[in-house]
Amino acid sequence: AQSVTQLDSHVSVSEGTPVLLRCNYSSSYSPSLFWYVQHPNKGLQLLLKYTSAATLVKGINGFEAEFKKSETSFHLTKPSAHMSDAAEYFCVVAGFGNEKLTFGTGTRLTIIP
Amino acid sequence: DAMVIQNPRYQVTQFGKPVTLSCSQTLNHNVMYWYQQKSSQAPKLLFHYYDKDFNNEADTPDNFQSRRPNTSFCFLDIRSPGLGDAAMYLCATSSPSGYSYNEQFFGPGTRLTVL
Repeated sequence: AQSVTQLDSHVSVSEGTPVLLRCNYSSSYSPSLFWYVQHPNKGLQLLLKYTSAATLVKGINGFEAEFKKSETSFHLTKPSAHMSDAAEYFCVVAGFGNEKLTFGTGTRLTIIP
Repeated sequence: DAMVIQNPRYQVTQFGKPVTLSCSQTLNHNVMYWYQQKSSQAPKLLFHYYDKDFNNEADTPDNFQSRRPNTSFCFLDIRSPGLGDAAMYLCATSSPSGYSYNEQFFGPGTRLTVL
């Protein structure tokens, strides 16, 4: 069984300041972990993924995430927020050999001008 | 570019009038998924096809059906839409043949309104 918990339903940051979106996971096996972003009325776009290679994963648009097995965390960060980052972010886990994904409840990121 | 395409992007139907949503893909992926996403919620998996094998989620209402006539196309049929079925419907694909086979690629979604 697998699950994922996004610790914040809403995060607000000022433009140009760092972004931190928190995610904890639970999985019986070595998991694959993803962060997806969804802009209003759009589909989901993959930001980055962890699949048991490097623990620090770099994604698109300056985002990165670090897989920490000891803390069962996969937090998403970005050094400097941009207005275009305002969106809903989903942390997602997939178990080994499982074609289905388990979604977190999402974090809405608001950027303050 | 290889992609997942959904038509129409916006669909309005009347209460109880059957509606079909369409998804096509140029990725040649084995697996195709349909999700329902209501406002401010995570996507909820309705069902998926692994090649021609249909896999229904236990809590998907019978009102929702799906067809996959070939690798490229998959359809979502809502036999008698109710007001509670108004949502964004997302199609996604994945391929089990690669190392990161469980990454899913999403289409832009179809926003369904029920009057």
